[in-house]
Amino acid sequence: SQTIHQWPATLVQPVGSPLSLECTVEGTSNPNLYWYRQAAGRGLQLLFYSVGIGQISSEVPQNLSASRPQDRQFILSSKKLLLSDSGFYLCAWERDTSPLHFGNGTRLTVT
Amino acid sequence: AQSVTQLDSQVPVFEEAPVELRCNYSSSVSVYLFWYVQYPNQGLQLLLKYLSGSTLVKGINGFEAEFNKSQTSFHLRKPSVHISDTAEYFCAVKKVTGGFKTIFGAGTRLFVKA
Repeated sequence: SQTIHQWPATLVQPVGSPLSLECTVEGTSNPNLYWYRQAAGRGLQLLFYSVGIGQISSEVPQNLSASRPQDRQFILSSKKLLLSDSGFYLCAWERDTSPLHFGNGTRLTVT
Repeated sequence: AQSVTQLDSQVPVFEEAPVELRCNYSSSVSVYLFWYVQYPNQGLQLLLKYLSGSTLVKGINGFEAEFNKSQTSFHLRKPSVHISDTAEYFCAVKKVTGGFKTIFGAGTRLFVKA
């Protein structure tokens, strides 16, 4: 069966520090991969998606970036965090007509 | 472009009462429809999906939804809720053709009271 791992679960970082969140998928190949952000009390905002290795599409201009160095690995990064980057970050995968399968999320607090 | 409107941001209901969470969507092309549930500090889990066929879709935990193409709605229902159903519920759509992105509504917080 397929599983998705996302870490860390929680993270507290000072403003201006770098960020790296990692997501890996097991049990499938060539998935579409997504990063969403959920601000407190709000819906999901699509940040990035990827349909293959090295292929990244950005939905919202910001100081975040994403990379897909391997087929089932998706990384969200920032060189310098802002207070507004605080939120709940969710990684997800899908294939073909399947619905999205989400990781358990990372709660990021920028102080 | 597609959009999803969840008509209620919060729905309080007593335990064992029926509930309906409303969802309307807008799209110029055919879409797949989904309902997800999110418990506190967790990712989203799929409740049910409509891809094609019967417009009444049954999901997990006793939930069901009906696809109404003429009204572009996909309302979620449960005949009798439990305390454990307290969570955030998201309606979502994805294009049938070339649909790389799932578009979510803003969510409805269901609060079940004893």
